[in-house]
Amino acid sequence: GAVVSQHPSWVICKSGTSVKIECRSLDFQATTMFWYRQFPKQSLMLMATSNEGSKATYEQGVEKDKFLINHASLTLSTLTVTSAHPEDSSFYICSARLGTGILWETQYFGPGTRLLVL
Amino acid sequence: EDQVTQSPEALRLQEGESSSLNCSYTVSGLRGLFWYRQDPGKGPEFLFTLYSAGEEKEKERLKATLTKKESFLHITAPKPEDSATYLCAVRGNTDKLIFGTGTRLQVFP
Repeated sequence: GAVVSQHPSWVICKSGTSVKIECRSLDFQATTMFWYRQFPKQSLMLMATSNEGSKATYEQGVEKDKFLINHASLTLSTLTVTSAHPEDSSFYICSARLGTGILWETQYFGPGTRLLVL
Repeated sequence: EDQVTQSPEALRLQEGESSSLNCSYTVSGLRGLFWYRQDPGKGPEFLFTLYSAGEEKEKERLKATLTKKESFLHITAPKPEDSATYLCAVRGNTDKLIFGTGTRLQVFP
């Protein structure tokens, strides 16, 4: 149980184009989903938190107009990198959480999406 | 400020050589301490959640323990397939996980 998928797993795009990454919870409904970014040999950096039907909450330093997050349902969240540039190249990982409160805190992570902007 | 420190940064073990990974933390109102395993190029795989001091959890060759200041991940008789980066994270009063930088474990046959 608690499987999270991401699509695509790899994407290469030209500078200036937009890229959409999907995150799905396959066997549970996720009230909250999270988007992380990970640089080589570094730990995960939280970009934003999204709750179904609400606007995402972005971490300090993350441009909300550049990284658009939509959490349209309890099983799907999308991250769109708009007007991508080479510095946006990274490993993007989403996670999903069942709820809040004791026993519901665990986040389950997707397999990640490698983005390369040329 | 919530903080997580993991040690050592890297650990090389011979197959069968047991050891422990450390996760020291400071957090306002611990709501959970989490251990994940991450293989290269993949997302973190959930291992354990610990909620209160004194709690222990086991899974195959792994055992996680928790005190008020730190957590240990004990690996008994490791195998080469246990090679990975092990991440520790805490959740406090803020609605997010604070991750450590991980311990990169290599187990040699």
